[in-house]
This record gives sequence, structure tokens and C-alpha cells, in this order.
Amino acid sequence: QSALTQPPSASGSPGQSVTISCTGTSSDVGGYNYVSWYQQHPGKAPKLMIYEVTERPSGVPDRFSGSKSGNTASLTVSGLQAEDEADYYCSSYAGSNNFKVFGGGTKLTVL
Amino acid sequence: EVQLVESGGGLVQPGGSLRLSCAASGFTFSGYAMSWVRQAPGKGLEWVSAISGSAGSTHYADSVKGRFTISRDNSKNTLYLQMNSLRAEDTAVYYCGKEANYYGSGSTIDCWGQGTLVTVSS
Repeated sequence: QSALTQPPSASGSPGQSVTISCTGTSSDVGGYNYVSWYQQHPGKAPKLMIYEVTERPSGVPDRFSGSKSGNTASLTVSGLQAEDEADYYCSSYAGSNNFKVFGGGTKLTVL
Repeated sequence: EVQLVESGGGLVQPGGSLRLSCAASGFTFSGYAMSWVRQAPGKGLEWVSAISGSAGSTHYADSVKGRFTISRDNSKNTLYLQMNSLRAEDTAVYYCGKEANYYGSGSTIDCWGQGTLVTVSS
């Protein structure tokens, strides 16, 4: 059960857009449209931001969007705001054997 | 409002055991799969285990297989994680999470508890 690969850090200025990648294999990200993204502020529980690659839960701003190409999923945050500064984790269904796998996390800094 | 409240964490010696609980409210507990996810200090999230709504299906990460057991009591709206043969590397905040469907397969965790800290140390 190898973790999905995310860049350790990303950054952008307020108002800019930032994209965070999440690379897996054909056994997880590439094999299923079940990629989720979570936001975690320091000392807090994770919060679901995107599910099933592109879907946003109610209450999540439309500045957050998801996509996938092959074995790589991406989270794009547009119109960066100070409160977007947090750790972001991707997750994917990985089949009946491995079930669920997370990425290592990306620390997003708003400059 | 969906609420998940974990309890049972604490300090335990290597080789020891601990049972975590997660009390759920605000939704039909038996209708959803549940998961445990942990986060070691300063590290990322690691999925640990999942159980279907009826408890008929369970799944474990390789790192805990054979040592941890997930279970649920739908009459008490409570999820459990029995942790045996604990190791230093099991030290983490343990979160319970509500899956978005009954089986958990292909699902997402759409609600998380606040976590309970487990420290394995002599």
C-alpha cells in the first residue's frame, strides 16, 4: 500500500491560482474515479473539499476544483485567499485489497 | 448535524493494548460504512481500517493487519478499534470518519471526528 505522491509544498499570492498534483498508479488513481481531496488546518480534523475527482460538497467554495488525467489527479485553488493556507491531502480508492490510500500531503502557503 | 466523538486514547507501553471508541450522532449510523485514519505527529494521513454498515465487511491496512480489529455496535451508534501488540510507530492521532456509502468501497470520508491521541512509549 504505497502512498500517493504529492509535492511537499505549493504557494501563491492572494488572488492567484495554484494546482496541487497527486500521482498514483493504475491500481488506484488511474483505475477509479474515486479521488478525494481534504483540507487540514493545524491542529484540526481534515475537511472534505472534493470527492469523485470533480465533485464539491455543499458549502465548499467553487474556487476549489478537481480533475484527473491518467494516474494523476489535481486540485486547483483559484482566487487564493489567506484562509486557504493549510495542508491538502488526496485520497483514492485502491480496490478491494488495498481499499484506500492517501497522499503524503502538500503544505499550501499563501504569500 | 453529523457528530463523531472519539475517545479511549492515551499512553500505552509497547506490546500493550488499547480500545478506541467513536460515538456517532446526527445520521443513521447503520446506513454507512466507517473508517479509522491516523496521523503520526508531524506526518500525513494514513488510512487504517474500514467497516461496512452491517459490519459484514472489514478492511485493514497492511501495517495493522493481524494486530488491530475494527468493529461497530449499531444499537449504540458506536465504532471501535481494538489495538493489540502496539508499537512505537502506532503513535498517532486516530480519527474516525463517516464514509459516504454503505460499503465504503469507492467511497469518501465526508465527516471526521476531532481525533484521539495514542502514544506508545515505555
